[in-house]
Amino acid sequence: GNSVTQMEGPVTLSEEAFLTINCTYTATGYPSLFWYVQYPGEGLQLLLKATKADDKGSNKGFEATYRKETTSFHLEKGSVQVSDSAVYFCALLLSASKIIFGSGTRLSIRP
Amino acid sequence: EAGVVQSPRYKIIEKKQPVAFWCNPISGHNTLYWYLQNLGQGPELLIRYENEEAVDDSQLPKDRFSAERLKGVDSTLKIQPAELGDSAVYLCASSLDTGSTEAFFGQGTRLTVV
Repeated sequence: GNSVTQMEGPVTLSEEAFLTINCTYTATGYPSLFWYVQYPGEGLQLLLKATKADDKGSNKGFEATYRKETTSFHLEKGSVQVSDSAVYFCALLLSASKIIFGSGTRLSIRP
Repeated sequence: EAGVVQSPRYKIIEKKQPVAFWCNPISGHNTLYWYLQNLGQGPELLIRYENEEAVDDSQLPKDRFSAERLKGVDSTLKIQPAELGDSAVYLCASSLDTGSTEAFFGQGTRLTVV
């Protein structure tokens, strides 16, 4: 079936550290891929997306590249800030508009 | 432009009582979703509407859950009767149409059943 598997948390880093959150997917066909972020007390916000193989999504210093050969969409940021502390969800969108989410990764950044 | 609006933000009820959640999607968005998010997990789709038609309700527990989207705009999700295991966050989202590659989420309703 169609699914998303992402790195389990929590992930705790110091400010200015390099961040990677792994995400792999299983899907029939060619999904669009997303990273959503959920800050404390807030709803889900789209962080970035990629709609086809080799596309790179980027926003707020975060990047992720759609790798069809490894079915991955890993999230990276070169220098994290305390304000990046949140829960991050990898997700895929199939042609029938059904969004499937991973289980989420909680990120905490220490000053 | 206003985003997806949900109410209430929080709800505490006793088990076996009914409860309803309301969602107002972004103006002009034809597709509306209700998701369930258990603690520490990703959201899971309950039901998807295209205008007023429920096109995917395969994950909706129909013995106690119901939803409607009258006139293809606002939507209501109801649970009757609520069980302890229904405690979760209920998220509403909308997108422009079936071919959209982005969905916008509301802040959710946190339900606690005691």
